[in-house]
Amino acid sequence: DVVLTQSPATLSVTPGERISLSCRASESVDTYLHWYQQKPNESPRLLIKYASQSISGIPSRFSGSGSGTDFTLSINGVELEDLSIYYCQQGNSLPYTFGAGTKLELK
Amino acid sequence: QVQLMESGPGLVQPSETLSLTCTVSGFSLTSYNVHWVRQPPGKGLEWMGVMWSGGSTDYNSALKSRLSISRDTSKNQVFLKMNSLQSEDTTTYYCARETWYFDYWGQGVMVTVSS
Repeated sequence: DVVLTQSPATLSVTPGERISLSCRASESVDTYLHWYQQKPNESPRLLIKYASQSISGIPSRFSGSGSGTDFTLSINGVELEDLSIYYCQQGNSLPYTFGAGTKLELK
Repeated sequence: QVQLMESGPGLVQPSETLSLTCTVSGFSLTSYNVHWVRQPPGKGLEWMGVMWSGGSTDYNSALKSRLSISRDTSKNQVFLKMNSLQSEDTTTYYCARETWYFDYWGQGVMVTVSS
């Protein structure tokens, strides 16, 4: 199984700053790496597909990069509504797997 | 518009069988894959299995001996059955549409395993 390691586990942020979240795969997943945002008591929401492709309706401050085993989700100008948990997920091979998540909290 | 909605019992007795239904609208089960994903309280997401658009299934090897996924395309429903439930199966269960990524999710159904 592909193991996805997300770091950091928790990130304390100040509104307006640019931040980066990491997702590292135990083997190459090409660009079959997707990012989700989950707020408390809500279902996950797709943020970025195929490592770097934007999703309609998602604010442009969210962007993704990477391929192979190293991926990054960036938020350019964090807003209070972005305080959530972020998960990466690989769709390259079964079983599909998720990272353990990175929680954004207010500094 | 695309919607998925899970339904099922909120409480299941230990060792019994869980039956959940995912009712979809806005797309065809013969054109899209539908997965089941679960999330224990305060924890991360675990992939459980998939009903492929062609009608075959795949399962998480850790759950395979207890899990069965089926569908009724005429009713736009995908079913999950898992037997021998234990306390660690207390979690929120989601169904999600997949096109290499999970683009639509149901609201989730919380299931508690307790006597």
